[in-house]
Amino acid sequence: GQQVMQIPQYQHVQEGEDFTTYCNSSTTLSNIQWYKQRPGGHPVFLIQLVKSGEVKKQKRLTFQFGEAKKNSSLHITATQTTDVGTYFCASSTSGTYKYIFGTGTRLKVLA
Amino acid sequence: EPEVTQTPSHQVTQMGQEVILRCVPISNHLYFYWYRQILGQKVEFLVSFYNNEISEKSEIFDDQFSVERPDGSNFTLKIRSTKLEDSAMYFCASSGGNEQFFGPGTRLTVL
Repeated sequence: GQQVMQIPQYQHVQEGEDFTTYCNSSTTLSNIQWYKQRPGGHPVFLIQLVKSGEVKKQKRLTFQFGEAKKNSSLHITATQTTDVGTYFCASSTSGTYKYIFGTGTRLKVLA
Repeated sequence: EPEVTQTPSHQVTQMGQEVILRCVPISNHLYFYWYRQILGQKVEFLVSFYNNEISEKSEIFDDQFSVERPDGSNFTLKIRSTKLEDSAMYFCASSGGNEQFFGPGTRLTVL
């Protein structure tokens, strides 16, 4: 079945450093969504990418969808302590409502 | 801002017992989902529901599981005979199309 891997599994950064998490699939994805889950919380939607090569920005967050639509990345510039949490990518194959979540990257930001 | 609600927040049950987890999706949403998350692990898709029927289900969603939208507002997940390995956080989500809004979750503990 479809699997979505994320790297790294964990990342500890000093406040102010940049952070990137990568999402990789063996199959072509129809879309990619990114979610943030704070410790003890529920996933919160950040963004959806649909087009090949698409890049979207939200303040310090930059999201990319690969040209082959098999990978995606989330980059945070100048991390803050409020960025702490686990970042998940999620995707569905074309024509389905079955969303497969990636393995997640847990980010810790040290003040 | 509208939100997805879930009850109870925590459910403790004995192995073999039936449990019903309840969700109230956002009122004008059409797509509904159940996910589960074992502590510290990724979010796993269970089932999606659209137009009063199951759209997709995962391998986890076997005959012990069922979903229902009994009254046009609630969306329930029933586990007929719970097993120890069903212990997890169960999240309901609803969507108007793309973005999924997650509820706060029900922590299910099977003893």
